[in-house]
Amino acid sequence: DGGITQSPKYLFRKEGQNVTLSCEQNLNHDAMYWYRQDPGQGLRLIYYSQIVNDFQKGDIAEGYSVSREKKESFPLTVTSAQKNPTAFYLCASSTIDRVVNEQYFGPGTRLTVT
Amino acid sequence: AQSVTQLGSHVSVSEGALVLLRCNYSSSVPPYLFWYVQYPNQGLQLLLKYTSAATLVKGINGFEAEFKKSETSFHLTKPSAHMSDAAEYFCAVSFNTNAGKSTFGDGTTLTVKP
Repeated sequence: DGGITQSPKYLFRKEGQNVTLSCEQNLNHDAMYWYRQDPGQGLRLIYYSQIVNDFQKGDIAEGYSVSREKKESFPLTVTSAQKNPTAFYLCASSTIDRVVNEQYFGPGTRLTVT
Repeated sequence: AQSVTQLGSHVSVSEGALVLLRCNYSSSVPPYLFWYVQYPNQGLQLLLKYTSAATLVKGINGFEAEFKKSETSFHLTKPSAHMSDAAEYFCAVSFNTNAGKSTFGDGTTLTVKP
C-alpha cells in the first residue's frame, strides 16, 4: 500500500534537546511538507520541498530545520531554539506537475517537551 | 494574497440533520479548492476537490460542495449527519502556479448530537 509514514506517534523530550521527526513516503511524490498543528490554529506550514536537496521556509520556520537527501524522506528537526515545541506535527506529500495537486497526509507525531 | 476563511470554529448538529460548513476564499486567480477531514489524533484525508470541471463536487461519505465564484465560497454540505461525521474539517486553496502548496483554513469542529 502506498502512503506516508511518520514515526514515532508520540515523542517526549526534555527542554533543551534537539529532536528529529521522521517522515517517509512511497507515493513517488516530488513535494513534501511539514505542518505544525495547535488547537484552534489550523495547520501552519513549517518547511516544504519540491525537489531533492532543495527546500523552502514556510510561515513558521524559526527553530526548525529539515533535509531532503532522498525523494522518499523529509525529516524535521525541532531544535532547542524553538520556544514552544509541544504540538502535533503533520507531514504531507503531493505531486507538482498535475493540474491539481492535492496533499496526502501522514498520521502525525505528537511531540511533548517538558 | 490568497487566503481561505472558515466561518464558525465549532458547528453542532443533531444526528440526521443537515450539515453545512462554510468556506470563503480570497484569490486574484482561479483557485483549486479542497475539503479535508481529520479525526482525533490522525492525519488529514481528502473529502473532495474542486478542479473547475464542475461547480458541484461530490466527495466521500456523502459530502458535497458547491463552488460559487460570485460569492467566493465553497461550502461543504451533507443532507443527513451521522455520529461518525464528528471530526475537524479543513478547507484549503491552491493555484496552478503553486505546484502542490496549499493554504489551509483554521478548521471547523463538527459535533453530532444523538
